[in-house]
Amino acid sequence: QVQLQQSGAELAKPGSSVKISCKASGYTFTSYYISWIKQTTGQGLEYIGYINTGSGGTNYNEKFKGKATLTVDKSSSTAFMQLSSLTPDDSAVYYCARGWGFAYWGQGTLVTVSS
Amino acid sequence: DTVLTQSPALAVSPGERVTISCRASESVSTLMHWYQQKPGQQPKLLIYKASNLASGVPARFSGSGSGTDFTFTIDPVEADDIATYYCHQSWNSPLTFGSGTKLEIK
Repeated sequence: QVQLQQSGAELAKPGSSVKISCKASGYTFTSYYISWIKQTTGQGLEYIGYINTGSGGTNYNEKFKGKATLTVDKSSSTAFMQLSSLTPDDSAVYYCARGWGFAYWGQGTLVTVSS
Repeated sequence: DTVLTQSPALAVSPGERVTISCRASESVSTLMHWYQQKPGQQPKLLIYKASNLASGVPARFSGSGSGTDFTFTIDPVEADDIATYYCHQSWNSPLTFGSGTKLEIK
């Protein structure tokens, strides 16, 4: 069965970076894009961008350019998102999701930014 | 960005029919999708491309609409349907989500 397994919760200091992973299984990894979505209580669900898992090409929501960097390791069927220059506003649950009309989601990774 | 406007909350009794609306600030064709999210869980796709039932989703759930006006219906509502429901458009970039409609059971 299709699964997207995300890495565990992160506690990070302001100004630092974190890298979240999303390991796919149960399907041909390079057949579907992986998207990333941010969820906060205040802002709801926000689309960060997607990565073409075959070519590595990316597309970002303007809001997250410079904040998020999406990469992929085809050998391990894993997508990554690095968040840089963290501020408390980056505290959120981050999800990866497959394809379009996201039928499959990871379980979410909680990122807490605090000094 | 395309803004999706949903009513914030609804309360219904089990067995009743409930309709949730989602209005887009510009046309999204039929690329509107609906998700259910329960506390502590990831969103679950219920309806894709406005009116298509996702795999394994009961026929109590349905969707309709095109352009800027969309509706999502649960008929009949069950107690387990307590959740927040989100609409999401994938026609315009960036993709956007509605703010969610919290469904409460009377």
